Amino acid sequence: SQQGEEDPQALSIQEGENATMNCSYKTSINNLQWYRQNSGRGLVHLILIRSNEREKHSGRLRVTLDTSKKSSSLLITASRAADTASYFCATDVPGGFKTIFGAGTRLFVKA
Amino acid sequence: DSGVTQTPKHLITATGQRVTLRCSPRSGDLSVYWYQQSLDQGLQFLIQYYNGEERAKGNILERFSAQQFPDLHSELNLSSLELGDSALYFCASSVTGETNEKLFFGSGTQLSVL
Repeated sequence: SQQGEEDPQALSIQEGENATMNCSYKTSINNLQWYRQNSGRGLVHLILIRSNEREKHSGRLRVTLDTSKKSSSLLITASRAADTASYFCATDVPGGFKTIFGAGTRLFVKA
Repeated sequence: DSGVTQTPKHLITATGQRVTLRCSPRSGDLSVYWYQQSLDQGLQFLIQYYNGEERAKGNILERFSAQQFPDLHSELNLSSLELGDSALYFCASSVTGETNEKLFFGSGTQLSVL
């Protein structure tokens, strides 16, 4: 079973627009991470946010975390065609060492 | 390049067979993770090792086994293969295996069971 669930499953936007992806999870967490996967390749870490943080920025990425709603969002601003990929949230499991991934959001940025 | 090496990149085999997937972690990383990615199941956590010892277990089938060797490379053994085992198998590594660390992923082994 998966801890995190991303929404939407797929998103298609024009270059230059912002893309927002959401992640909901089931149990309390210590950390939440976002990863990107280009088609058929390994995942690449984007950003980690701890449970005591509410917002984090990295370049064109902005991540928010709302532990009361058990949800996180990833915002990519001024998207580029190269941002076309699948994006996954990953959470830890309380009391354990597992990092569990959601089903992912497929983002397609049209040039 | 993540620094994590997985071999082979592609593997085609028949049902009932046994295969071994190999992973070399990033230099300095002590923890290795195995994940299975399929279209219908998403990215499933299989198992994690830290410095040769099993640390966490996910939905790993009894037909599957893994180990981490003293040189820290890891192998995932899949036996009595079924059509449903066809998937992309990823290895990832991190320094200590704590959940506040980012994971570095290999490029995966694409397993096709015919």
